[in-house]
Amino acid sequence: SSALTQPPSVSVSPGQTASITCSGPALSDRYVNWYQQRPGRAPVMVIYKDTERPSGIPERFSGSSSGTTVTLTISGVLPEDETDYYCQSADNSGRNLVFGGGTKLTVL
Amino acid sequence: QVQLVESGGGVVQPGRSLRLSCAASEFIFSAYHMHWVRQGPGKGLEWLAFISYDGSDKNYADSVKGRFTISRDNSRNTLTLQMDGLRVEDTAVYYCVKDDGITSGLDAWGHGTTVSV
Repeated sequence: SSALTQPPSVSVSPGQTASITCSGPALSDRYVNWYQQRPGRAPVMVIYKDTERPSGIPERFSGSSSGTTVTLTISGVLPEDETDYYCQSADNSGRNLVFGGGTKLTVL
Repeated sequence: QVQLVESGGGVVQPGRSLRLSCAASEFIFSAYHMHWVRQGPGKGLEWLAFISYDGSDKNYADSVKGRFTISRDNSRNTLTLQMDGLRVEDTAVYYCVKDDGITSGLDAWGHGTTVSV
């Protein structure tokens, strides 16, 4: 799978909206999944299939897709949302997975 | 609640081998593809290996191809990663991860086991 590109860091004020992008040449015909990872903990899926939210994930987490760029949006950001976020995709066979480099979200 | 519990991590010298295991429970293990993912100190997530639900198909990242072997025992609900020829750059936390069966998303993760080379 092709590499996925994320911004290393994004900053936002509490209560505002954070947008984290993930781009890659193959994303126009691939689904992207998003993970939140707190320090010292395993990642947790927060968005799958570009826009779907797993059970138990707050509604303030949403996803969107446009061409070769997918975006994770966190509305009404809370201080507890400050952590690392990763996008992930796979080739058509599902046998080759790839992660973006990760984005550290800072809540100022 | 899906449970994945890794074991087998530790400190090993370069060139030696280590075998990681993952005990799965609270889901139909034999129905799902599985993966291993690792994270080096201060680094991002790196996908390592895939195994199909029945073990008939496997695939590896280039960084571990020819050195690591993924396998599973559906009768014992266990996933394994045999790591040979370990290198310093293999130092990482290793996660056992369940495939969601929808978009090759990873919907359940173990707590991770640490390997230091």
